[in-house]
Amino acid sequence: KNQVEQSPQSLIILEGKNCTLQCNYTVSPFSNLRWYKQDTGRGPVSLTIMTFSENTKSNGRYTATLDADTKQSSLHITASQLSDSASYICVVSATDYKLSFGAGTTVTVRA
Amino acid sequence: DAGVIQSPRHEVTEMGQEVTLRCKPISGHNSLFWYRQTMMRGLELLIYFNNNVPIDDSGMPEDRFSAKMPNASFSTLKIQPSEPRDSAVYFCASSLGQGEAFFGQGTRLTVV
Repeated sequence: KNQVEQSPQSLIILEGKNCTLQCNYTVSPFSNLRWYKQDTGRGPVSLTIMTFSENTKSNGRYTATLDADTKQSSLHITASQLSDSASYICVVSATDYKLSFGAGTTVTVRA
Repeated sequence: DAGVIQSPRHEVTEMGQEVTLRCKPISGHNSLFWYRQTMMRGLELLIYFNNNVPIDDSGMPEDRFSAKMPNASFSTLKIQPSEPRDSAVYFCASSLGQGEAFFGQGTRLTVV
């Protein structure tokens, strides 16, 4: 069964600090991996999408990495802001379009 | 484009009633997805349409759930009869092929 495991489940950081979220997956055959940000009460919004050949992709203060050999990905948030408080969801797509979702990491940024 | 549009944003209904959720995908997108999100189970794919045709409905929990896509610009998810355990946020998303999926704002359903 295709699975996506995210860690930690939640974390609290001070404004201005950095943090890294982890995603491990067993989805096969792999097509792409996406990180979504979901604010409370809103739909998920895509941050990055990476294919097998991509190791790193940045979107502003968000940087995602992918190691397709070990089936691991990380999302690094640099110089966190209060608006970064949200749930971050790792989504892995198989080649047959099916998406497998992680449970998400809830990030709380405090002033 | 206004993005994926869902209606209603909130729905409160009594157990046993029929509920219809609506979705207008982004113009030009050929894939449409219905998801359900709960605290316990996170995001779950219910059904996937490609070019208005249901491709995979294995995520639909039971026969009480049905979805239609009569044309490229409109889809519905119907629950009949509704039960309290159906309470969740239902998201519709659309994409062009396997590209980025854009989500709507969701419909928060409460069945009492």
